[in-house]
Amino acid sequence: GDSVTQMEGPVTLSEEAFLTINCTYTATGYPSLFWYVQYPGEGLQLLLKATKADDKGSNKGFEATYRKETTSFHLEKGSVQVSDSAVYFCALSPNSGYALNFGKGTSLLVTP
Amino acid sequence: GAGVSQTPSNKVTEKGKYVELRCDPISGHTALYWYRQSLGQGPEFLIYFQGTGAADDSGLPNDRFFAVRPEGSVSTLKIQRTERGDSAVYLCASSSTVTSGGAGEQFFGPGTRLTVL
Repeated sequence: GDSVTQMEGPVTLSEEAFLTINCTYTATGYPSLFWYVQYPGEGLQLLLKATKADDKGSNKGFEATYRKETTSFHLEKGSVQVSDSAVYFCALSPNSGYALNFGKGTSLLVTP
Repeated sequence: GAGVSQTPSNKVTEKGKYVELRCDPISGHTALYWYRQSLGQGPEFLIYFQGTGAADDSGLPNDRFFAVRPEGSVSTLKIQRTERGDSAVYLCASSSTVTSGGAGEQFFGPGTRLTVL
């Protein structure tokens, strides 16, 4: 079945460091891809999304590009801040369905 | 405006008891989803409503789990004969559109943490 695999954390970075969180997927058809973020004590929030191959989603300095040839949707940010500390979830929605399939999440801690 | 709300925020029960978890979606959202998140895992889909009907209940783990949305707004997730393995955070989400090619943006509630002793 459809699934998402993302790199395990925790990831610890210094402020202003470059961030990459890897995400690969397995799906039939053409899924939509998402990154959700969960800040401490808060609910899940959509960070960015891409609905077709080669689309780039971006928000708050984060970017991810839908790569069909490598079935990947890696999350990147050029310069992280302490306020980016959170758990990040990669997710997909199958072409024929509406539920989200989530990865296990990657915890990010950014230190001053 | 008000987001998705869930009550209670925490529920502690004993093995074998019955529990109900409530979700109030964003006003006007026609689609409503339930997920379950175990410790250290991502959310796992349980059931999806479009209006009053369950459009997809393929994620419900067994017949002890049931959900309703009688008026197309508030939804209740019901768990009978609870087991310790049911302990998790139960998340509700709603969306205003369901587009071809996948889900519209889903807005999540804060969750109900269920602990079965």
